Amino acid sequence: GDSVTQMEGPVTLSEEACLTINCTYTATGYPSLFWYVQYPGEGLQLLLKATKADDKGSNKGFEATYRKETTSFHLEKGSVQVSDSAVYFCALTPYGGTDKLIFGTGTRLQVFP
Amino acid sequence: GAGVSQSPSNKVTEKGKDVELRCDPISGHTALYWYRQSLGQGLEFLIYFQGNSAPDKSGLPSDRFSAERTGGSVSTLTIQRTQQEDSAVYLCASSLRPGTGINQPQHFGDGTRLSIL
Repeated sequence: GDSVTQMEGPVTLSEEACLTINCTYTATGYPSLFWYVQYPGEGLQLLLKATKADDKGSNKGFEATYRKETTSFHLEKGSVQVSDSAVYFCALTPYGGTDKLIFGTGTRLQVFP
Repeated sequence: GAGVSQSPSNKVTEKGKDVELRCDPISGHTALYWYRQSLGQGLEFLIYFQGNSAPDKSGLPSDRFSAERTGGSVSTLTIQRTQQEDSAVYLCASSLRPGTGINQPQHFGDGTRLSIL
């Protein structure tokens, strides 16, 4: 079945460092891809999405590009802030399905001043 | 507020008891999803409702779990004869109608933290 694999955490960075969180997927057809974020004490929020190959999703300085050839959707940010500390989840919805989300295991990001 | 509302926010109960968790979706959202977030299993899909269609129950882990959605709005997730492995955060999400060729984002509630003693 469809699945998502993302890098283990925690990822620990200093403020203004570059961030990459790797995400790869296994799916038939053309799934839609997402990054969700869960800030401490808060609910899951959609960070960005991409619905077809070569699409780039972006929000709050974060970007991710839908790479069909490598089945990847890596999350990147050029300069992280302390306020970016959260758990990040890569997810997909299967092609032609009910839009149920299949999540990766999550990656905790800790940014220190 | 206009977001997805879940209640209770926390529930502690004894093993073997039944529990009911409630979700109020965003007004006008026809799709409703339940997920479970646990340490051992991460975030898992449980069940999906869309309008008057038969629900997709493919993620329910056992027949102790059931859910209903009355009037196309409020949903209740029921767990019978709870076990310790049911301890988790149960998340509800809603969205506009999916499957229309436009992927509709899901909006999540803050969840119900369920602890089974």
